[in-house]
Amino acid sequence: EIVLTQSPGTLSLSPGERNTLSCRASQSISNNQLAWYQQKAGQAPRLLIYGASSRATGIPDRFSGSGSGTDFTLTISRLEPEDFAVYYCQQYGSSPWTFGQGTKVEIK
Amino acid sequence: QVQLQESGPGLVKPSETLSLTCSVSGYFISSAYYWGWIRQPPGEGLEWIGSIYRSGSANYNPSLKSRVTMSVDTSKNQFSLNLSSVTAADTAVYYCARKVHGFDIWGQGTMVTVSS
Repeated sequence: EIVLTQSPGTLSLSPGERNTLSCRASQSISNNQLAWYQQKAGQAPRLLIYGASSRATGIPDRFSGSGSGTDFTLTISRLEPEDFAVYYCQQYGSSPWTFGQGTKVEIK
Repeated sequence: QVQLQESGPGLVKPSETLSLTCSVSGYFISSAYYWGWIRQPPGEGLEWIGSIYRSGSANYNPSLKSRVTMSVDTSKNQFSLNLSSVTAADTAVYYCARKVHGFDIWGQGTMVTVSS
């Protein structure tokens, strides 16, 4: 099983700031099959990025993903008020598909 | 647009079987893609339970495999989850989702509590 470790656990930031979240895998992820999700309280997760760097339909271009192998990042170029949420990475290259434990982005 | 909706009992007794159905609208599940179940215990992260293809071929999380069964009913455009011998540790919000590249469409989730 591939274990995904996200860091940091919590980020305290102000609107307008740039934000980089990390997701590290315990082994290489096949074909960079790595996704990022945003989840707000009481809501289902929303797909942001798939294939490590492709934005999902309707996702603003301030969200970008990068990385390969075992190290991946999600960058939010300028935080908007609606971006304060929990972010999860997920690998779907090897079964069982696994999620990271999440990074909470909170308002400073 | 594509929409998914979970349905099933909100309360299940310990040792019994949790049964949920996901109804899909705006897309025929027989067309393509995988369909999956993910759960989230209160205040915790996400756990993939398993996924099923239109053919009925399924892939389960090994941690739950002995207790999980998934099925597809193309005539009703639904897919289902059965989780047997539940305990309090199975209390969670259960989501169904469509998997294309990652899970791109999610249901709103349904809270299932295991308690006597």
